[in-house]
Amino acid sequence: DIQMTQSPSTLSASVGDRVTITCRASQSIGSWLAWYQQKPGKAPKLLIYKASNLESGVPSRFSGSGSGTEFTLTISSLQPDDFATYYCQQYNTYSRTFGQGTKVDMK
Amino acid sequence: ELQLVESGGGLVQPGGSLRLSCAASGFRFSSHALHWVRQAPGKGLEYVSGISGNGGSTRYADSVKGRFTISRDNSKNTLFLQMGSLRAEDMAVYYCAREISSGNTLDAFDIWGQGTVVTVSS
Repeated sequence: DIQMTQSPSTLSASVGDRVTITCRASQSIGSWLAWYQQKPGKAPKLLIYKASNLESGVPSRFSGSGSGTEFTLTISSLQPDDFATYYCQQYNTYSRTFGQGTKVDMK
Repeated sequence: ELQLVESGGGLVQPGGSLRLSCAASGFRFSSHALHWVRQAPGKGLEYVSGISGNGGSTRYADSVKGRFTISRDNSKNTLFLQMGSLRAEDMAVYYCAREISSGNTLDAFDIWGQGTVVTVSS
């Protein structure tokens, strides 16, 4: 199975900061990568699909990039509503593996 | 409104069985693959199982293969997960999720239910 590794596991930031989360795949997955945001007690929410496509209704401060084995999620200017845990997911194969998550908390 | 609503969670003893349901509304149910994803307490997301739109193709994580069965009733817009031989490590919030694409390509999950809690304990 393809392994997905996110870094960092925890990120402390302030409102207005530029935030970058990295996701690495154990083998090439092309652009078949999604990013989700999850808040405590809530279901995950799709932010980005196919590595760089913004889901409808998601603020433009979120962006995704990368292909092959290395991907990034960037929040250009962190807002109070963005403190959450973020997961990447590959869908190049049926195993649909998730990364272990990156928690963005308040510095 | 696009919606998925899970039900059927609860307390079950180790070795027991449970059937989860996921009722869908607001979209053409049979056109989309559907999936189950779980989250153990304090842990990350784990893919569990998926089924194609017509129910003809199913997939399972190795951790549940042979113990869980996914199915769907397109006439009732409902997805199911029959769970058997439950273990402590199956204890989690179980989410159902819709795959974006209505075609044959793999895709991300755009609609998620609110989750149903499965507790495995004696």
